[in-house]
Amino acid sequence: DAKTTQPNSMESNEEEPVHLPCNHSTISGTDYIHWYRQLPSQGPEYVIHGLTSNVNNRMASLAIAEDRKSSTLILHRATLRDAAVYYCIRTTLNSGGSNYKLTFGKGTLLTVNP
Amino acid sequence: NAGVTQTPKFQVLKTGQSMTLQCAQDMNHEYMSWYRQDPGMGLRLIHYSVGAGITDQGEVPNGYNVSRSTTEDFPLRLLSAAPSQTSVYFCASSYLASGNQVDEQFFGPGTRLTVL
Repeated sequence: DAKTTQPNSMESNEEEPVHLPCNHSTISGTDYIHWYRQLPSQGPEYVIHGLTSNVNNRMASLAIAEDRKSSTLILHRATLRDAAVYYCIRTTLNSGGSNYKLTFGKGTLLTVNP
Repeated sequence: NAGVTQTPKFQVLKTGQSMTLQCAQDMNHEYMSWYRQDPGMGLRLIHYSVGAGITDQGEVPNGYNVSRSTTEDFPLRLLSAAPSQTSVYFCASSYLASGNQVDEQFFGPGTRLTVL
């Protein structure tokens, strides 16, 4: 139960911004949104995560909708190295108030055209 | 700082054989986890640990054992290998934010396992 919905694939052009959407309509108030990406033949790589407000780091920005039912990962200037599968993961606290399980779905395959 | 290391990189087993996949991290992370990734699929959590001596099951624990005797090491044991366990196995580690939330996970390079 990945609990998020992402498009199977997206295309972008090099040096243009990329907006990767994620739907998590059943999210609760304590659920975080994490993004990872996986380059071909490599292990996943952390991108960003957030709870309510928008988050920025050196790799990307995460825009979370006001109702928190969707979010968007923003790559400001795509490069060929950004071609990867991007996973949007929603983490949920268990009855003990902890979250130790991240569930990866199939993600979005991002193709970057030169 | 080596991050998360996994050995071996590749392994071929016969059905019924047992083996241990090794995982180590040098970041003093409390949390460690094992995932498997089948072709064209996302990662599925096998087992995880939140500290030495503390382990728990993930989504697909059957056929696998883990132990955590030190903070650094988290080996994954296949008890009796089956063709259905052919997969790529990733180990990861993370701090626990506020003591109970998985933070940024660092992944190892993976072990590609084939069971004949």
